[in-house]
Amino acid sequence: EVQLVQSGAEVKKPGESLKISCKGSGYSFTSYWIGWVRQMPGKGLEWMGIIYPGDSDTRYSPSFQGQVTISADKSISTAYLQWSSLKASDTAMYYCVRQGGYSYGYSFDYWGQGTLVTVSS
Amino acid sequence: DIQLTQSPSFLSASVGDRVTITCRASQGISSYLAWYQQKPGKAPKLLIYAASTLQSGVPSRFSGSGSGTEFTLTISSLQPEDFATYYCQQLNSYLYTFGQGTKLEIK
Repeated sequence: EVQLVQSGAEVKKPGESLKISCKGSGYSFTSYWIGWVRQMPGKGLEWMGIIYPGDSDTRYSPSFQGQVTISADKSISTAYLQWSSLKASDTAMYYCVRQGGYSYGYSFDYWGQGTLVTVSS
Repeated sequence: DIQLTQSPSFLSASVGDRVTITCRASQGISSYLAWYQQKPGKAPKLLIYAASTLQSGVPSRFSGSGSGTEFTLTISSLQPEDFATYYCQQLNSYLYTFGQGTKLEIK
C-alpha cells in the first residue's frame, strides 16, 4: 500500500528555521516525483514545487522560488520542505504528494496527511 | 502561467441532484487535467485524471469531460458524502496550477 507519512505539527516564531518531512512507502521512492502543496487557512491549494528523488532534480513554482528549499534523502525514502527564516504568512497546512506517471496524466495520486505549521510571536 | 477558473465558486444542492462544475484554462492543456475532492480537515483526494478517467475506487456517479480549455466534473446523483470542496488542476506545464475551488453545500 502506497503511503506518504508526514511529520507532526509545528509551532514556531518568526525568523526561526524549520524542516518538515514526508516519508514514502509501498512503492519505489526513486521512481516518482514528490511535490509539496500549501493550503493557507480557509484558502485553496497552491503548488509549491517538486523533486525527483532518483536524481534530486527539483522545480519550484515562481511564487515559492527562493522562499523554501525542497530536498530528498533516497536512502530513507524521505522528502523535505524547509524554511531558513519563517514568517507569519507561512502559517498553513502543507501536504506532500506523489505525482503519478504518464498513465495517470501526471496527477497527484497520493497525498500525505498534512503538516500544520503555525508561525506566531 | 496557465490560469484555471472554476465556476461556480459555491454551489448549493440537494441529495439526488445532478451537478456540474466547470473549469476553464487560460490556454490549451490538452487533457492534462485532474479533479480532487477535499473534505474539511482532510487531505485532498484524486477523483479524476487525464480529464475523464476515474481514479480506482471512486464511485461511478462522478464523471469528467473536456479537453483543450474547457472541462467539467459532473456528479450524477449527489450523495451526502459528496458535500465537499472540489478543485481542478492542470498538469500540462510543470507550474501545476489549481483552480480556486468549488464548495458544494447542502441546500
